[in-house]
This record gives sequence, structure tokens and C-alpha cells, in this order.
Amino acid sequence: AQTVTQSQPEMSVQEAETVTLSCTYDTSESDYYLFWYKQPPSRQMILVIRQEAYKQQNATENRFSVNFQKAAKSFSLKISDSQLGDAAMYFCAYANSGYALNFGKGTSLLVTP
Amino acid sequence: GAVVSQHPSWVICKSGTSVKIECRSLDFQATTMFWYRQFPKQSLMLMATSNEGSKATYEQGVEKDKFLINHASLTLSTLTVTSAHPEDSSFYICSARDPDQGQHYGYTFGSGTRLTVV
Repeated sequence: AQTVTQSQPEMSVQEAETVTLSCTYDTSESDYYLFWYKQPPSRQMILVIRQEAYKQQNATENRFSVNFQKAAKSFSLKISDSQLGDAAMYFCAYANSGYALNFGKGTSLLVTP
Repeated sequence: GAVVSQHPSWVICKSGTSVKIECRSLDFQATTMFWYRQFPKQSLMLMATSNEGSKATYEQGVEKDKFLINHASLTLSTLTVTSAHPEDSSFYICSARDPDQGQHYGYTFGSGTRLTVV
């Protein structure tokens, strides 16, 4: 079974600064996909970024980027120029062969002015 | 983009009654839908995978007789919590996969249903 581990229950960052959220996973598969989702207080799940395991290039989406280390099974999320609206719960997730997303426990991100 | 509508947003029911939650894909056909449960300040736990026209696949520890899932059409899956008890109170979220977006790009979530059993 695949497991996703987020070791930081809470993180704090000042506005305009950069923060990195950690995620590691365990799998025996070679082809899989990794995601970061944001869940604000509304509890709507919002896709932040996704990465295909077969791609060596790290995915980027505006202020969000990942550091994908396949051999180390690590998938961290970097948020640059943090904004107050980035405050939310962030979940790392794994998916394989069209099956359901498997989520980590989440990291609560606080953004201070 | 792909939209998934989930209703109701919140519901309060009496212990012993049943509650139905609907999950609809509005602009795509979803052959597969997923149901998750989320307790406060916790992660999303997969309850079951719903496939159109066939029986749902339940995760270990999920009571299939309590959480009835029906996926009778390509745009609608329902979760019925039968004989609800206070311990069933939780946040339930559905997710649908849009096959046109590729196997792993098309996970779209509903807005969730907060169930309170009194």
C-alpha cells in the first residue's frame, strides 16, 4: 500500500516570504502522479500543482513549485511571495493507475502580515 | 473546467434516520467517483470507489450496509448513510474523474457535505 507522509503539522510564513512544505511517500510503482491540494476554511479542495513521476522536470505554477526527488521519494512544495490568501490546509497526495487519491495528514499554513 | 456539484452542503438529522448525499458531474461524464470522509483537522480518508453501472468498492473498515453507494448514471453518484448515529457525524466529500482530462489530471472535488446526527 502506498503511504504519504507530511511531517509538518503546522507551518508559519510572513507575507512576501518563501515557505517549503515537505512530503514523502512510499510506493513500489514506477508510474504514478503526485499532487498538492489546498483546503481553505470553506473546505473546498483546490488543486495547487501536480507532477508526473516520469517527468524529471519539476512542475511550476506561478508562485508554486515543487522539488520532486524520485529516488528519495520526496515531493516538497515551495510557495514564493506568500500571500494572506495562501493560508490554508495543504495536502500532499499520490495517485496510481487512475485509482483514488491517497492523502497525507496535511500541513496547516499560517501567513502573518 | 470540470465541475462537480455536491448536495446538500450541510444536513442535520435525527439518530436512526437515513440521509442521502448527491454528487453530480455537471459538464462531463464520470465513470468513476470517489467518496471521502474527513474529521475535523484531519485528512481525507477514502471510503469507497463508485463505478457507473457496477457495485462500489469499499475500503477496509467501511461498513457497506451503513454507507450505501449508488452510481446509476454517468453523472450521478449517491451516498446514503443509513440508520445514522452521532458517530457518523463528519464531513463527506466526493470526487469525480473526468476521463477526457487524462487519467490523473481530472480529479475534481465537490464542495462537501457536513453531516450532523443528533
